[in-house]
Amino acid sequence: AQKITQTQPGMFVQEKEAVTLDCTYDTSDQSYGLFWYKQPSSGEMIFLIYQGSYDEQNATEGRYSLNFQKARKSANLVISASQLGDSAMYFCAMREASGTYKYIFGTGTRLKVLA
Amino acid sequence: EAGVTQFPSHSVIEKGQTVTLRCDPISGHDNLYWYRRVMGKEIKFLLHFVKESKQDESGMPNNRFLAERTGGTYSTLKVQPAELEDSGVYFCASSQVGASYEAFFGQGTRLTVV
Repeated sequence: AQKITQTQPGMFVQEKEAVTLDCTYDTSDQSYGLFWYKQPSSGEMIFLIYQGSYDEQNATEGRYSLNFQKARKSANLVISASQLGDSAMYFCAMREASGTYKYIFGTGTRLKVLA
Repeated sequence: EAGVTQFPSHSVIEKGQTVTLRCDPISGHDNLYWYRRVMGKEIKFLLHFVKESKQDESGMPNNRFLAERTGGTYSTLKVQPAELEDSGVYFCASSQVGASYEAFFGQGTRLTVV
């Protein structure tokens, strides 16, 4: 069965520093997508970054990058130059590449950026 | 372009009552999903529509939950009768068809059953 594991329930980072949020996944599928979403206190889920299982390059979107290590089945999110507005809940998710394309989510990591 | 909108944002009901949650997806998005997050746990899949058809309802907890998607546009999720364990945040998401398209989520409906 597919599963996403986020082992860090909470993280602190100093403003302007980089932080890595861990995510490991388990699947027997060869084709899948990995996503990170941010959920600020307002509640909405904001898409951050996507990595396809066949993508050889790590995905990057501005200050976000995804450290994809396929053999280790990990898809860690790296946030560079943290800002106070980065304080939020972060969810890692995996999506099937066929069928319903439904997401499997982890339990999330709450990030607090300190001034 | 309007995002995914959900109504209401919060609902507090008594055990045994009925509640209906509504989701308006992004226009043109054929895929519509419902998810639920119970406090402190992961976000769990409930069901998936493609247009008006249910593609996968394997995540629906039991027959107290009924989802519909009228004419392939907005969707409703009815809980009848509500139980205490139904409390949580219900998210709706929509996407275009295709594996590489990300899903856009609504702000969620926080349901509290007392």
